[in-house]
Formats: sequence, structure tokens, C-alpha cells
Amino acid sequence: EVVMTQSPATLSVSPGERATLSCRASQTVNTDLAWYQQQPGQAPRLLIYAASTRAAGIPARFSGRGSGTEFSLTISSLQSEDFAVYFCQQYYDWPPVTFGQGTRLEIK
Amino acid sequence: EAHLVESGGGLVQPGGSLRLSCVTSGFTFGNYAMSWVRQTPGKGLEWVSDISESGFNTYYADSVKGRFTVSRDNSENALYLQMNSLRAEDTALYYCAKDLSAGGVPGDAFDSWGRGTMVTVSS
Repeated sequence: EVVMTQSPATLSVSPGERATLSCRASQTVNTDLAWYQQQPGQAPRLLIYAASTRAAGIPARFSGRGSGTEFSLTISSLQSEDFAVYFCQQYYDWPPVTFGQGTRLEIK
Repeated sequence: EAHLVESGGGLVQPGGSLRLSCVTSGFTFGNYAMSWVRQTPGKGLEWVSDISESGFNTYYADSVKGRFTVSRDNSENALYLQMNSLRAEDTALYYCAKDLSAGGVPGDAFDSWGRGTMVTVSS
């Protein structure tokens, strides 16, 4: 199965600044890569699919890029509601779809 | 907007059984494959099972194969997970999740999730 590795485990950024999160796949997943945001006590929320397409209702400050094995999620100007845990997920080599272990984005 | 509500979780002894349900609304249920995904603090998010739009095709993680059975009732807009021979390592918050694309190929992102139902396997 494809192993997804996210870095860093925790990222400390000030509100208004830019944050970039990384996700690496153990083998190519083409662009079949999604990003999710999870707030405490809530279910994951789809942000990005197909590596760079924003899901419905997702603000333009969220952007994704990458292909093959290297991916990133950038939040251009952090708002208070953006501090959460972010997961990547590959759905290219399936079953199973696999998730990264998450990056916690915290207020600096 | 899709709405998914899981139920059926609880405390069960090792070797026991539980049946999870997921009732949905706000979308044409029969047009989408559906999945179960579980989450633990230690292992993070783990895909458990997927079922095709018709229910004809089902898929399982190796960790649950032979013990769990996924099914759906398109007339009731409902998804189910029968869990048998439960183990301590099955302890998790179980989510049902909707595939992003209608009628798509298996394996997809998930654009709607329920709030989850907690399963605890312990003596």
C-alpha cells in the first residue's frame, strides 16, 4: 500500500502569515491526492482534491500543488479558523486509500 | 447539502459484534459509492471498507477482511457495517463518508462525512 508521510508534524505560524504543509507518497499517486482539515471534535472536511482543485465552498486562500510523489498545501493568509489538523489522502492506488498522519497547524 | 449520521457504536467485549448504521440525506444516495473510515489517536485515519453504488461490489482493508461486512439499502438511503469478532485494535471513531464523484471509478476523495460513532472493544 502507498504510505503517505506529512511534514512537519506541527507547524507554528502567526495569523496573517503563509503556511505551507507537505505530503510525500511512497510511490506515484499521479494527482489523485486530497487534503482535509479537521477541527477538534469534528469530522474531516475536504479542502482540495485532484491535488489542486478546491472543493465546493473552500476559500481561495487554500491552494494545493504537486504530482507524482510530492505535494503541498498552502494557506496564503492564516485566519483564526484555519488552525487545525490537516491530512492528505491518496486515492490512486486503491484499495486501500491511505492517509497521512496529519500536520497540526498551531498559532505562533 | 449532504447530511450523514452514524449510530450503533458502543462498548463491546473482545469477540463480540456490533452493527453500525449511517443514515443519509441531501443527495441521491444510490448514485454514490460510500465508505467507512475509522480514526484513532495512535493510527490516525484508516479506511475500512467501500461499497459501490449498487452494493454489488464491496472492498475491505486487510485488517478487517473476513470479520466486517458492508451493505447498503438504497431505498432507505442507509449504509451499514456489520462488525464481528471484534478486537481491541478495532477501537476507534467510525465515520461514514461519501465519495466525491457520482458513478465514478472506485477509490475517491470523500466530500461529506458524518460526525462518527465510537466503538470501544474492551473487557
